[in-house]
Amino acid sequence: DVKVTQSSRYLVKRTGEKVFLECVQDMDHENMFWYRQDPGLGLRLIYFSYDVKMKEKGDIPEGYSVSREKKERFSLILESASTNQTSMYLCASSPRGGRRTDTQYFGPGTRLTVL
Amino acid sequence: KQEVTQIPAALSVPEGENLVLNCSFTDSAIYNLQWFRQDPGKGLTSLLLIQSSQREQTSGRLNASLDKSSGRSTLYIAASQPGDSATYLCAVLSSASKIIFGSGTRLSIRP
Repeated sequence: DVKVTQSSRYLVKRTGEKVFLECVQDMDHENMFWYRQDPGLGLRLIYFSYDVKMKEKGDIPEGYSVSREKKERFSLILESASTNQTSMYLCASSPRGGRRTDTQYFGPGTRLTVL
Repeated sequence: KQEVTQIPAALSVPEGENLVLNCSFTDSAIYNLQWFRQDPGKGLTSLLLIQSSQREQTSGRLNASLDKSSGRSTLYIAASQPGDSATYLCAVLSSASKIIFGSGTRLSIRP
């Protein structure tokens, strides 16, 4: 079974803190994604990566950055957390390289609260 | 710009009923459409994926159809069970290589 893990299920941070959300997949997938999920807005893509050291902006990249130094790990960074970044963050991976993607496999999510 | 809509936002039916969840999208130029299930506080689990050249996919009691020309997909659940209670999301991979999700339908099956 594909396994996508996220470093924390629940996280509470203060405004202005630097926050790292980690995601690891164990199936050698090329593609990895970070989404945030908010009530009424659905899932929105923040950043994605097709391969190591490659990254592309999604629909809402402002206030976020990412790092992919190893194929299995994709990190989401909030340089200076703000209250409007309180959300559920979901990581996903999929098995194909290139621009087309097949089934995505999701992690359990990290519920981040910024006070 | 591709938009994905799921109506209704919530649905409650008695156990044993067959039901249909709806998904509509505005741009018919898609590569595939996928249905996911999400349990409260958890990640998404892929249920069915339909390639743009396909009309339907089946898995157990689930059947998903795709009509690209009308911009619609349906997820049919036969003989519903309380364990089917969850939020169901559809997502389209558009020609711009972006995946766009609907807001989901929260399904509750009453015993």
